[in-house]
Amino acid sequence: GDSVTQTEGLVTVTEGLPVKLNCTYQTTYLTIAFFWYVQYLNEAPQVLLKSSTDNKRTEHQGFHATLHKSSSSFHLQKSSAQLSDSALYYCALSEGTSSSFSKLVFGQGTSLSVVP
Amino acid sequence: AQTIHQWPVAEIKAVGSPLSLGCTIKGKSSPNLYWYWQATGGTLQQLFYSITVGQVESVVQLNLSASRPKDDQFILSTEKLLLSHSGFYLCAWSGDWGGGEQYFGPGTRLTVL
Repeated sequence: GDSVTQTEGLVTVTEGLPVKLNCTYQTTYLTIAFFWYVQYLNEAPQVLLKSSTDNKRTEHQGFHATLHKSSSSFHLQKSSAQLSDSALYYCALSEGTSSSFSKLVFGQGTSLSVVP
Repeated sequence: AQTIHQWPVAEIKAVGSPLSLGCTIKGKSSPNLYWYWQATGGTLQQLFYSITVGQVESVVQLNLSASRPKDDQFILSTEKLLLSHSGFYLCAWSGDWGGGEQYFGPGTRLTVL
């Protein structure tokens, strides 16, 4: 089956500095899309970014990611981290064979801590 | 707008006791519904999905069961809780072609003692 790998369990960055969270994947099924979900403390995960187009940059709330199928990667980046960015970030891909059903496969998650 | 509600917000249960968690979706007809489990500090694991009323598919076996008695309702249950069932249970839905995006409910925090 598909798998998603996030190599860093914890990333600590100083406020105002750039941050990059790594995500690589393996897929054998029909993969529909790739996501970054963000989960704030004691809240549900919510979609931060979504992409299904190779080599196209996707941006939202100052974060950006580019799907690179050649390297099976979908890294998340931000040029200037904010204290409010501290949260748990999950990379995920959806696999499915119908137009409305999707199975999300999540990575292990990366906890981002932004410090003053 | 669609809203998703989960109940209870939190539960503290004894090992061996039964459990029933609920999820209701409003504002969306015939949603695809999902149950996820998140261990403390762990990743999100999909447990069940349902495409239609009365039909539930299991993704992983954790001595849990799920049912979909109504179009807008998804129930997660077990007759006998284990310590390993502790964690955060999330219900999610997806609709018509949305590129696989799922929307999560607020979750239920379960502690098994």
